[in-house]
Amino acid sequence: NAGVTQTPKFRILKIGQSMTLQCTQDMNHNYMYWYRQDPGMGLKLIYYSVGAGITDKGEVPNGYNVSRSTTEDFPLRLELAAPSQTSVYFCASLGGEARYNEQFFGPGTRLTVL
Amino acid sequence: GQSLEQPSEVTAVEGAIVQINCTYQTSGFYGLSWYQQHDGGAPTFLSYNALDGLEETGRFSSFLSRSDSYGYLLLQELQMKDSASYFCAVRSFSNTNAGKSTFGDGTTLTVKP
Repeated sequence: NAGVTQTPKFRILKIGQSMTLQCTQDMNHNYMYWYRQDPGMGLKLIYYSVGAGITDKGEVPNGYNVSRSTTEDFPLRLELAAPSQTSVYFCASLGGEARYNEQFFGPGTRLTVL
Repeated sequence: GQSLEQPSEVTAVEGAIVQINCTYQTSGFYGLSWYQQHDGGAPTFLSYNALDGLEETGRFSSFLSRSDSYGYLLLQELQMKDSASYFCAVRSFSNTNAGKSTFGDGTTLTVKP
């Protein structure tokens, strides 16, 4: 199993540009999460999904959108990039055997908006 | 809402024992989890307490007291490679936001020789 994969690893955007951060998991997990992490800070939840077709807002959803058409994929869309969205973005999944509450994280996408 | 508080920094020497505390204001959560994150890396799962009490995994132990809204991560026989950030986290089972995950702001542990 590849686990949780994210693409791209790095990206530089200009203000006002749009992009999609891809996240795929091959563990058949129901729960998926998008976080952002600013330098020296904790993880802030952007959006999450409890299963295909179901998404919900986290703490910091403004400026982002998500979709969950399949169990495997959970893309994050930035429509009009702003410098405040410069951050590291992590995708995570959590499976049906959730008694251990273990989230599996992807390697992250480092985004800079100039 | 859910909020978790941790000390921002802890320093200890190699071979020592260190405890990282987490106090929370939340209700309706599955349990308390702990994650480790090295500089430039992704968080990795360390431990989980579904019930009150102590869970031991090698050099790491974690404790939860729901009545005190408090938990901690205990690291024994500290090694240089334990220098990292440590996060506590909860996941809600409430009707309105089931599955929602909240992390503390993290504690940076520095292990000195």
